[in-house]
Amino acid sequence: EDQVTQSPEALRLQEGESSSLNCSYTVSGLRGLFWYRQDPGKGPEFLFTLYSAGEEKEKERLKATLTKKESFLHITAPKPEDSATYLCAFRGIYGGSQGNLIFGKGTKLSVKP
Amino acid sequence: ETGVTQSPTHLIKTRGQQVTLRCSSQSGHNTVSWYQQALGQGPQFIFQYYREEENGRGNFPPRFSGLQFPNYSSELNVNALELDDSALYLCASSLDGPGNTIYFGEGSWLTVV
Repeated sequence: EDQVTQSPEALRLQEGESSSLNCSYTVSGLRGLFWYRQDPGKGPEFLFTLYSAGEEKEKERLKATLTKKESFLHITAPKPEDSATYLCAFRGIYGGSQGNLIFGKGTKLSVKP
Repeated sequence: ETGVTQSPTHLIKTRGQQVTLRCSSQSGHNTVSWYQQALGQGPQFIFQYYREEENGRGNFPPRFSGLQFPNYSSELNVNALELDDSALYLCASSLDGPGNTIYFGEGSWLTVV
């Protein structure tokens, strides 16, 4: 069964303390690994899409990487405004639906000043 | 701002009632999908519409139904509401094709009492 697991469930950092969030997945065929940011009570905001192992993408303090079994979201020198829930999702090739995203439960990041 | 708008933003319904949620997709996007997000969980795929036809469905009962209109806007209808239907309902739009990004709206908060 296709599934995605995110860890840790929650992460508390001090401002400037770099860290990484993990997303591990098992899927029959990968058509993209997606990262979203979600603020409380809001819809997910798109961050990155990665398609193949070895691919990396960056945006401000965030960098996403992809291997054959995992993706990491690295946060460098985070600021309090980076506090949010970060969701990982993949769109598999197989299954009853075309194009649906399968999400993990997310990692809730809190950055203290 | 993703250009995906949803209404209403919040609503309260009684168990057994019916509800209709609405979504206007981002300009030019011909694929609309709906997700249910319970508190503390990742979004769960309900179904997807492409050119007014449902072309994918998640593990949700038939009392969850939808429509897509010629202008690509969409509705989600839920009949015989149950307490467990209380959740954030997210609409997402994209261009057709497996490699395209899915953009989410801010969601409709449904509380069933």
